[in-house]
Amino acid sequence: AQSVTQLDSQVPVFEEAPVELRCNYSSSVSVYLFWYVQYPNQGLQLLLKYLSGSTLVESINGFEAEFNKSQTSFHLRKPSVHISDTAEYFCAVSGTGGGNKLTFGTGTQLKVEL
Amino acid sequence: ETGVTQTPRHLVMGMTNKKSLKCEQHLGHNAMYWYKQSAKKPLELMFVYNFKEQTENNSVPSRFSPECPNSSHLFLHLHTLQPEDSALYLCASSQERPPDTQYFGPGTRLTVL
Repeated sequence: AQSVTQLDSQVPVFEEAPVELRCNYSSSVSVYLFWYVQYPNQGLQLLLKYLSGSTLVESINGFEAEFNKSQTSFHLRKPSVHISDTAEYFCAVSGTGGGNKLTFGTGTQLKVEL
Repeated sequence: ETGVTQTPRHLVMGMTNKKSLKCEQHLGHNAMYWYKQSAKKPLELMFVYNFKEQTENNSVPSRFSPECPNSSHLFLHLHTLQPEDSALYLCASSQERPPDTQYFGPGTRLTVL
């Protein structure tokens, strides 16, 4: 079984400032890791994912996350945020062996202010 | 239409009502999922269907009854719900083998009076 911890429920940040959203996971097996974003009144959309290979993965809109196996972390970062990044961000994990079951964290509300 | 659609988007029902939520995916996927999203809680996986067969029931009360007539459609039948069942219900689809991305619908906001 897996679990995901997102310690920060809300992260306020000014526009053009850097941001880091933290995610730690627990698992007894190898994992795939995901970040999903949920804009108001919408479903979740995949932002980026780590499957294998390079531990640094990037999204098309400037976010990146680094898989750190020793620290069991998959923190999400962006060097300069925009107002349009205001949304809720969910970290999720699935085991690599069989099934496509995702375990989600509680989410982090990112609020970008002018 | 493309992606994953859900109807209705909003639903208000009394505890004695019977209603159904509908999900349709246009992505050619073989797996479909129901999730419950409540404030301040992780998304809760409720049911998983692979090739129309239920492969996971995450200890969901029997007042929630899923139905998957084919790989493109998924229903959640509701009856005698409780106020604590009020939440956003999300449908998702993917290919059946990991690590395929799950694609989510916009959800149905359910309020039980």
